[in-house]
Amino acid sequence: NAGVMQNPRHLVRRRGQEARLRCSPMKGHSHVYWYRQLPEEGLKFMVYLQKENIIDESGMPKERFSAEFPKEGPSILRIQQVVRGDSAAYFCASSPPLGTGGFETQYFGPGTRLLVL
Amino acid sequence: SQQGEEDPQALSIQEGENATMNCSYKTSINNLQWYRQNSGRGLVHLILIRSNEREKHSGRLRVTLDTSKKSSSLLITASRAADTASYFCATEEYGGATNKLIFGTGTLLAVQP
Repeated sequence: NAGVMQNPRHLVRRRGQEARLRCSPMKGHSHVYWYRQLPEEGLKFMVYLQKENIIDESGMPKERFSAEFPKEGPSILRIQQVVRGDSAAYFCASSPPLGTGGFETQYFGPGTRLLVL
Repeated sequence: SQQGEEDPQALSIQEGENATMNCSYKTSINNLQWYRQNSGRGLVHLILIRSNEREKHSGRLRVTLDTSKKSSSLLITASRAADTASYFCATEEYGGATNKLIFGTGTLLAVQP
């Protein structure tokens, strides 16, 4: 059972370009989470999605950032018109549907390191 | 602001010694988890402790939780050079419907061979 897959692992963009980050959850997992890690900091929650639904986007910047998790295919985190401050590591995590206990362990991918020049 | 704050920010010990890291949080929680992150890599889940538990063990790891003080500690016994990594605590807020995790700032552990 492959783990959470993310690609690309490294992405370089110039200011104003678009960045697309992909995440394939573990087999059987229907919940996806995106986190951002700035240099020397902990991870910060961005968005939580289930198939075709955004459940919680309270951590997403109001502009330029969007996320989707279509019925088929990977989850996509899209950053339009990137700026230098978007440079960070972006991690995706997946979990199975929440159990009766109300929580499930999240399994993290290796991350995509975005560098904006 | 970050839910969790960890101390120390950095810790350097010799192989074979024990390492203790602490985490404090602000709100009521469902559970608290510890993760390890090797330099430039993803996160590895280490252990989860529920809000009604006080102590949990997993191999060389021992986690305690004090909900009255809103704090947790991670003890790594008989440390090895391979334990060198950053360690993060993460909490799931009580009553939260989304299972999102709030991470601490992390402790950078260096184990000298």
